[in-house]
Amino acid sequence: KQEVTQIPAALSVPEGENLVLNCSFTDSAIYNLQWFRQDPGKGLTSLLLIQSSQREQTSGRLNASLDKSSGRSTLYIAASQPGDSATYLCAVYNNAGNMLTFGGGTRLMVKP
Amino acid sequence: AAGVIQSPRHLIKEKRETATLKCYPIPRHDTVYWYQQGPGQDPQFLISFYEKMQSDKGSIPDRFSAQQFSDYHSELNMSSLELGDSALYFCASSLRQGDEQYFGPGTRLTVT
Repeated sequence: KQEVTQIPAALSVPEGENLVLNCSFTDSAIYNLQWFRQDPGKGLTSLLLIQSSQREQTSGRLNASLDKSSGRSTLYIAASQPGDSATYLCAVYNNAGNMLTFGGGTRLMVKP
Repeated sequence: AAGVIQSPRHLIKEKRETATLKCYPIPRHDTVYWYQQGPGQDPQFLISFYEKMQSDKGSIPDRFSAQQFSDYHSELNMSSLELGDSALYFCASSLRQGDEQYFGPGTRLTVT
């Protein structure tokens, strides 16, 4: 059974700092990997999707990398802003691509 | 751009009652997924449908059933509701199985 772990569980940084969120998964036979943002009590906003054949994806200040062989992905946020405060969830697609397994999330607080 | 629509957005039911949640996927998306997110937890996969057929099943209780209709919308039926069923229920859709999943805003179910 796929297990997804995110470290750290919570992170508090001052505004402007660059930061890295980590995600690890136990079964490397994944289809894709997706990073989401979730504000308290709200829905899931997709940030980046990395296909299994890719090593990284970039969108604005966000960069996500994927190393399937080691079962790891990182989300890099450059020049963090208070508006980035949210929970960031990593999710992996199973080999058939028909279900997502989520990590426990990293709660990020960016202080002005 | 059209997004995934879920209704109702909020639902309050009493124990042992039934509830029906509806999901309308993005136009031309033929795959629908259901997830349950309990308070303080990460989303858990319940069930998915591809071309109106069930394609995968996760941790969905026997009290729950779901189907996808000819217009590709999906309904999650929940019977004999328990307090522990209180959660945020997300529907997601994708163009095809394995493609990026786009999430709806969720239905918040409260069982009293």
